[in-house]
Amino acid sequence: QQQVKQSPQSLIVQKGGISIINCAYENTAFDYFPWYQQFPGKGPALLIAIRPDVSEKKEGRFTISFNKSAKQFSLHIMDSQPGDSATYFCAAPIPRAYKYIFGTGTRLKVLA
Amino acid sequence: NAGVTQTPKFQVLKTGQSMTLQCAQDMNHEYMSWYRQDPGMGLRLIHYSVGAGITDQGEVPNGYNVSRSTTEDFPLRLLSAAPSQTSVYFCASSYTKVSTNGGPGAQHFGDGTRLSIL
Repeated sequence: QQQVKQSPQSLIVQKGGISIINCAYENTAFDYFPWYQQFPGKGPALLIAIRPDVSEKKEGRFTISFNKSAKQFSLHIMDSQPGDSATYFCAAPIPRAYKYIFGTGTRLKVLA
Repeated sequence: NAGVTQTPKFQVLKTGQSMTLQCAQDMNHEYMSWYRQDPGMGLRLIHYSVGAGITDQGEVPNGYNVSRSTTEDFPLRLLSAAPSQTSVYFCASSYTKVSTNGGPGAQHFGDGTRLSIL
């Protein structure tokens, strides 16, 4: 019940295409859903985050779509660029438990 | 600001050796944590701390110890290294609460320590 399940494990997209990564959760007490971006040799960095009181949040080419009834949230990367090639993690903090859980990651490769 | 600083960046140990991975942050964050990252398994929480003098276990705590004597520092100790502890270790920090439900805020990560146990 404390997991976030992320898919796909890997993704190859042509330059200019749309990259979509999905995460599903079970614990309805989760109330903050960040996405992290990790480049090789670096630590993950916060990319964008959403709370369940909104259905969508957009920052530049990155959009989170949130479906509270389905307990799913997705990261959309519009006009994908080779520089977006990285590993992406969804995550959720467990309320009052001070624990942060991460999805298993999606390795994105954008072809030039 | 340096953010979260981890040392060393790389380390090779022999089975049975002990060592300490260092982590320091300069953002005055209450919450600090250690993760290990293994292929196909994402980031798994080892130990965490919500403030100086307070630590608790995460998902995979066995074989590791932590302490938090100051707000800035959160070292991770491997007591007797085993090949199964070969991994990339990340330290992260954040403010403690982000909502009425509590829970740690957005995590700020260091660049990791790549550890190999022979």
